[in-house]
Amino acid sequence: SAVISQKPSRDICQRGTSLTIQCQVDSQVTMMFWYRQQPGQSLTLIATANQGSEATYESGFVIDKFPISRPNLTFSTLTVSNMSPEDSSIYLCSVAFSGGSYEQYFGPGTRLTVT
Amino acid sequence: DAKTTQPTSMDCAEGRAANLPCNHSTISGNEYVYWYRQIHSQGPQYIIHGLKNNETNEMASLIITEDRKSSTLILPHATLRDTAVYYCIVRVFSGYSTLTFGKGTMLLVSP
Repeated sequence: SAVISQKPSRDICQRGTSLTIQCQVDSQVTMMFWYRQQPGQSLTLIATANQGSEATYESGFVIDKFPISRPNLTFSTLTVSNMSPEDSSIYLCSVAFSGGSYEQYFGPGTRLTVT
Repeated sequence: DAKTTQPTSMDCAEGRAANLPCNHSTISGNEYVYWYRQIHSQGPQYIIHGLKNNETNEMASLIITEDRKSSTLILPHATLRDTAVYYCIVRVFSGYSTLTFGKGTMLLVSP
């Protein structure tokens, strides 16, 4: 299993600003993922972040809006840029190990409110 | 990944078994059935997964029909802390495939 922490746990931001969310894992992981959960909705995958390569974005998400860094095997950041109220969501970091049963583990999430 | 269909909500009395159904009629031969749950204001939690045989762990049992077109997650003795949204997901057994979440089933366990 993995213990995942995210910072900040929540934030209230003004439109037009940017917020960087950090994800720290207590062990080295192959794959890291970022999800968004809009109010009352299910989770939607934003991108997959591999160490040493560019993140792979899902349809509807672009690097300019959601730049991601993955500097090592235990850490990743997601930036929400030029925010609007529509970006108000919970952002979740998730990890998976290579081998084994490929279970994904999730962080507690970052609750973002844009005013 | 194949699509799944789950009831929107279910109720269960505390101490009774909760049986959560899932239909996945278009599942492929190399896709597994995974169950996750999300307790309010927390990240999703892995519960169990299986291919074609029934599986049991400390949290739950997973019953998969012989044709693999449906499955049932069983919480043998539901508690109030089991109140959550339960997601049934089918995915290829690979570290390079991700989880695609549907709407899930909101299970409410009552005293």
